[in-house]
Amino acid sequence: DIQMTQSPPSLSASVGDRVTITCRASQSINKFLNWFQQKPGKAPRLLIHSASTLQSGVPSRFSGTGSGTDFTLTITGLQPEDFATFYCQQSFTAPYTFGPGTDLEIK
Amino acid sequence: QITLKESGPTLVKPTQTLSLTCTFSGFSVSTTGVGVAWFRQPPRKAPEWLAVVYWDDDKRYRPSLRNRLIIIKDTSKNQVVLTMTNMDPVDTATYYCALHEYSSSLFDPWGQGTLVTVSS
Repeated sequence: DIQMTQSPPSLSASVGDRVTITCRASQSINKFLNWFQQKPGKAPRLLIHSASTLQSGVPSRFSGTGSGTDFTLTITGLQPEDFATFYCQQSFTAPYTFGPGTDLEIK
Repeated sequence: QITLKESGPTLVKPTQTLSLTCTFSGFSVSTTGVGVAWFRQPPRKAPEWLAVVYWDDDKRYRPSLRNRLIIIKDTSKNQVVLTMTNMDPVDTATYYCALHEYSSSLFDPWGQGTLVTVSS
């Protein structure tokens, strides 16, 4: 299985801040990397697929970069509704594995 | 508009078999390039992928659960059913289904999820 790691595990930030979350795959996954946002009691919401493609309806303050094994999710200008848990997921090959998550909290 | 919804028992006993149904609208699982996947998420943990069935009836399973899972599609009913045998308390989780677009390999949208508790 491809192992996914994320850092940091948690992050405190303020409204208006710029934050970056990193994700690393244990082997190359080309650009088959998805980012999800999840709020308590809700299903994961796809934000970015193919490492850098913004899913329809997702605000442009979210952006993704990377290829191969190293990826980043950046949120520029945090909004109150952005505080949640973020997961990366590789969709290169089954089993489609997730990172352990990053909890983004309000400072 | 594409929607998916999971249904099934909320409580099962250890050793029993779990059967979950994903009922969807807005797409057909017989369309080339389409699949329906199942995930689960134990409390306070990351989601994990379980299985997927594709338009051509190709199926993939999580290797560690392969001998416990069966996924089938019913195109006429717009449903995909996941069966998991020999349930254990560690299988307690929220179970989700999601549309899988094969070409871009993205999973979206997801259903709202259904919490399944395994307890005697």
